[in-house]
Amino acid sequence: RKEVEQDPGPFNVPEGATVAFNCTYSNSASQSFFWYRQDCRKEPKLLMSVYSSGNEDGRFTAQLNRASQYISLLIRDSKLSDSATYLCVVNRDNDMRFGAGTRLTVKP
Amino acid sequence: DADVTQTPRNRITKTGKRIMLECSQTKGHDRMYWYRQDPGLGLRLIYYSFDVKDINKGEISDGYSVSRQAQAKFSLSLESAIPNQTALYFCATSDLLGDNTGELFFGEGSRLTVL
Repeated sequence: RKEVEQDPGPFNVPEGATVAFNCTYSNSASQSFFWYRQDCRKEPKLLMSVYSSGNEDGRFTAQLNRASQYISLLIRDSKLSDSATYLCVVNRDNDMRFGAGTRLTVKP
Repeated sequence: DADVTQTPRNRITKTGKRIMLECSQTKGHDRMYWYRQDPGLGLRLIYYSFDVKDINKGEISDGYSVSRQAQAKFSLSLESAIPNQTALYFCATSDLLGDNTGELFFGEGSRLTVL
């Protein structure tokens, strides 16, 4: 079983839609959690950290449920520029483990 | 110029050849990493280094070696390349991860094909 699992998608949504991505992790000792974004043929870049209380950055909301070992990312009012692969990342003792990513395509 | 630079960006080689991928950074970070990315598997850590004298194996180090020549330079070697090492390789740097910032800064990637 992979340490970090994500639905690979693809998610194809129209502009303006709300879309949610889920991620589960297997190691309960994991300490910190993140979402990265990777554009096609590019390097991953940090989108946002995920805090236990939930956090929001503009149209993006991240949630963490430690009891269920579950992380989510919600994107509201999707833009064409949101099209990318979203990587769930879990950190334990400075060992960052990446999910395989969920691909999102936002269409006009 | 990119803060994290990888060379070469693309390489095609034959089974059994020795290959070196180089990474240099101008961010002044102590920590450097090598990952490989394969479709459906995500990024997997090969080796990491927290300073010039520190080298650590990651999740999938077999078949690879590294050298931390200076704070700014971290190279990855495949002593005898095999086809299942065909992948996209990323170098990354970070300052500290313990403070929950979680930010790894990646190079643009090196696409390696082993025939």
